[in-house]
Amino acid sequence: QVQLVQSGAEVKKPGSSVKVSCKVSGGTFSRYAFTWVRQAPGQGLEWMGGIIPIFGTAKYAEKFQGRVTITADESTSTTYMELSSLKSEDTAVYYCARDMTTWFDPWGQGTLVTVSS
Amino acid sequence: QSALTQPPSASGSPGQSVTISCTGTSSDVGGYDYVSWYQQHPGKAPKLMIYEVTKRPSGVPDRFSASKSGNTASLTVSGLQAEDEAAYYCSSFAGSNNWVFGGGTKLTVL
Repeated sequence: QVQLVQSGAEVKKPGSSVKVSCKVSGGTFSRYAFTWVRQAPGQGLEWMGGIIPIFGTAKYAEKFQGRVTITADESTSTTYMELSSLKSEDTAVYYCARDMTTWFDPWGQGTLVTVSS
Repeated sequence: QSALTQPPSASGSPGQSVTISCTGTSSDVGGYDYVSWYQQHPGKAPKLMIYEVTKRPSGVPDRFSASKSGNTASLTVSGLQAEDEAAYYCSSFAGSNNWVFGGGTKLTVL
């Protein structure tokens, strides 16, 4: 049973960066792809991008191009999402999920990132 | 990429059926059979309920079914139960390794 466990909540200043981790257990990390989705308070889900660790290639939603970096570390079975130049509108819960090519499952528990001066 | 369009709310009494729509374009919902549906209870992570338009993962009750016609996908919950009260999100592949979600529908069991 694959499980994804994310890092804890973060509070960041506007203009800074945040790096959220997502540790994968119960499966062969290199066999999977992973995606990142965020959810602003009271809002819907928004796809940010994804990565295929075995190839080391990442794809990003146009909205986040240049501001988001998704990486993977096979030695620790962990994927990371780093978002820079943070704004108050980036306050959201950030989720990682296993990307099964045509659907996402399972999901991590979510990480709340609060951007506030 | 614009979000898929879902009604903000839906409701039904226990035992009834409710259908939630998800409207996109020929570039996403209408162009690929890669529509999935997720259930999200308050404060929890989304849970996969339907994938590839009509398929149910193991463990999801057969009260949940889905379909697609043209640019609109639909999720039907039959025999409504109290635990079905949650937000439901549709998602579709949108080409070029892009994905788009719907705005979500809050399902209330009366």
